[in-house]
Amino acid sequence: DSGVTQTPKHLITATGQRVTLRCSPRSGDLSVYWYQQSLDQGLQFLIQYYNGEERAKGNILERFSAQQFPDLHSELNLSSLELGDSALYFCASSVEGGGAQNIQYFGAGTRLSVL
Amino acid sequence: GESVGLHLPTLSVQEGDNSIINCAYSNSASDYFIWYKQESGKGPQFIIDIRSNMDKRQGQRVTVLLNKTVKHLSLQIAATQPGDSAVYFCAENFEGNKLVFGAGTILRVKS
Repeated sequence: DSGVTQTPKHLITATGQRVTLRCSPRSGDLSVYWYQQSLDQGLQFLIQYYNGEERAKGNILERFSAQQFPDLHSELNLSSLELGDSALYFCASSVEGGGAQNIQYFGAGTRLSVL
Repeated sequence: GESVGLHLPTLSVQEGDNSIINCAYSNSASDYFIWYKQESGKGPQFIIDIRSNMDKRQGQRVTVLLNKTVKHLSLQIAATQPGDSAVYFCAENFEGNKLVFGAGTILRVKS
């Protein structure tokens, strides 16, 4: 168990809908990262928050947004969902905001199916 | 166009043999590299890491080798066990905090 908790484990929804994925980082970790894993794109970095502030952005669509709350948990909001958004979404956390040896520990993921 | 799944390379080894998984990375400025193991239905699990100022690092039953000249990483697993069966990803730390993952290699251990 990595100590990173993601809910829900599975989510099934329809095109055009909006969903929220939740992540609780490991105790003491200040950074939260979101990744998308799809069959045709592999693991892709989406966005990072550090101590409540956005720190880095990757290949995140404008329809997607995230935030990190004062208790350091994070939510990833996906709106106007399309079939192609079906994927595994992982959250990772780390102690620091970046740099070498800042190991990212991953949660078990949320499997999103858009029908 | 039609999207197709990533065709991951597969390495099949006999239980007890050593495994070597290779990875090419893209950015010569990357200063830190990590190997992750992902079992079916689970998130990536940290195995071992190495900084760019090192050529080799050893852990328990695992060794990572880094060749910066050709931008190549390898993961060696000694005495491979059935529990080692998984997808293995290398990742490079890009711009300080973004992990860029390779496509992955499937390791199958035959008993």
